[in-house]
Amino acid sequence: AQSVAQPEDQVNVAEGNPLTVKCTYSVSGNPYLFWYVQYPNRGLQFLLKYITGDNLVKGSYGFEAEFNKSQTSFHLKKPSALVSDSALYFCAVRDYGNNRLAFGKGNQVVVIP
Amino acid sequence: NAGVTQTPKFRVLKTGQSMTLLCAQDMNHEYMYWYRQDPGMGLRLIHYSVGEGTTAKGEVPDGYNVSRLKKQNFLLGLESAAPSQTSVYFCASSSWTSGGYNEQFFGPGTRLTVL
Repeated sequence: AQSVAQPEDQVNVAEGNPLTVKCTYSVSGNPYLFWYVQYPNRGLQFLLKYITGDNLVKGSYGFEAEFNKSQTSFHLKKPSALVSDSALYFCAVRDYGNNRLAFGKGNQVVVIP
Repeated sequence: NAGVTQTPKFRVLKTGQSMTLLCAQDMNHEYMYWYRQDPGMGLRLIHYSVGEGTTAKGEVPDGYNVSRLKKQNFLLGLESAAPSQTSVYFCASSSWTSGGYNEQFFGPGTRLTVL
């Protein structure tokens, strides 16, 4: 069965510092990987996805993620965090041909001014 | 485009009452999904649909029913609400590809409290 682990409940980072949100996954075949962001009292917004090709994926709002097949990881990164990046971040994975996404539990990111 | 909309935004029920949550999308998407979000548990899939007239069970289907009579609408029903169904409910939709790798678009959520 496909699954995702987000090992940290909360990530605190100072404004202007690099931000990393960790994600590891488990699938039986080739993974399709996604990152979503949720602001308070809002639905989830798509940030970026990895399907195939370049291991470094660029997405919205200056975010990027690095796919590492040997470590089964898909960490989300931003070179310089903003206070407005404070939100809940979800990693998700699906197997090829599977109609369903498996979401992680989410990481609360707090960017400190 | 309005994207994915959900009705109502908030609702308070008493145990045993029934209700229907409505999800509508104007993107002509084939796939639609209902999730519930609870603190510390992420999103869990309740039911989903791969096309008009079809539905399938997700991870936590008990106590819920769904219908997709029109392509643009996906209804989630609670026949006899229980306090354990207090949650925030999200609807999502996505377009179809043979590999199934298109991202899902989410609605704003319905906050349901069952007393």
